[in-house]
Amino acid sequence: DIQMTQSPSTLSASVGDRVTITCRASQTIHSGLAWYRQRPGKAPNLVIFKASTLGSGVPSRFSGSGSGTEFTLTISGLQPDDFATYYCQQYNVYPYSFGQGTQLEIK
Amino acid sequence: DVQLVESGGGLVKPGRSLRLSCAVSGFTFSTYTMNWVRQAPGKGLEWVSSISGRSSYIYYADSVRGRFTITRDNARNSLFLQMDNLRAEDTAIYYCVREDTAVLKQAFAYWGQGTRVIVSS
Repeated sequence: DIQMTQSPSTLSASVGDRVTITCRASQTIHSGLAWYRQRPGKAPNLVIFKASTLGSGVPSRFSGSGSGTEFTLTISGLQPDDFATYYCQQYNVYPYSFGQGTQLEIK
Repeated sequence: DVQLVESGGGLVKPGRSLRLSCAVSGFTFSTYTMNWVRQAPGKGLEWVSSISGRSSYIYYADSVRGRFTITRDNARNSLFLQMDNLRAEDTAIYYCVREDTAVLKQAFAYWGQGTRVIVSS
């Protein structure tokens, strides 16, 4: 099974900052990587798929990169709505797996 | 608009069964792979099971294989999760999820609001 490891687990930042979250897969997943944002009490929503493609309606301040085993999610110019928990997920091979999450907090 | 509405959650004793349902609308249900994803209280996301459009391919997480059964009824636009021999560690919010496109193995583009399952004596 593929293990997904996110870092950091918690990230403190301010409105307007640029932040980067990293996700590593235990074996290659090519570009089968998605990022989700989950606000408290809400279902997750898709932010990035195929490692670097923006989800529908997602602002351009979000970007994703990487392939193989190492991936990043970057948010440029943090907005209040962005303070949430972010998960990466591999869907290249079953069983699908998620990272443990990165909680983005207001500094 | 795509809509996914889960139901069937509740409080159940360990060892008992529960059947979750997900009613969908706004797309051609039979062409999409559907999934169940769960989230234990205060924890991260865990993929549970997938079923392809015509039920040809079915997959389970190791943690539920042999106890949970995913099915679908394309005529009724409904997805199901039969959960047997429930354990305390199955306590979670269960989300019904549709993949992004009708091609196999895609990101999770649409999520229901979730239904809460509590397994406790």
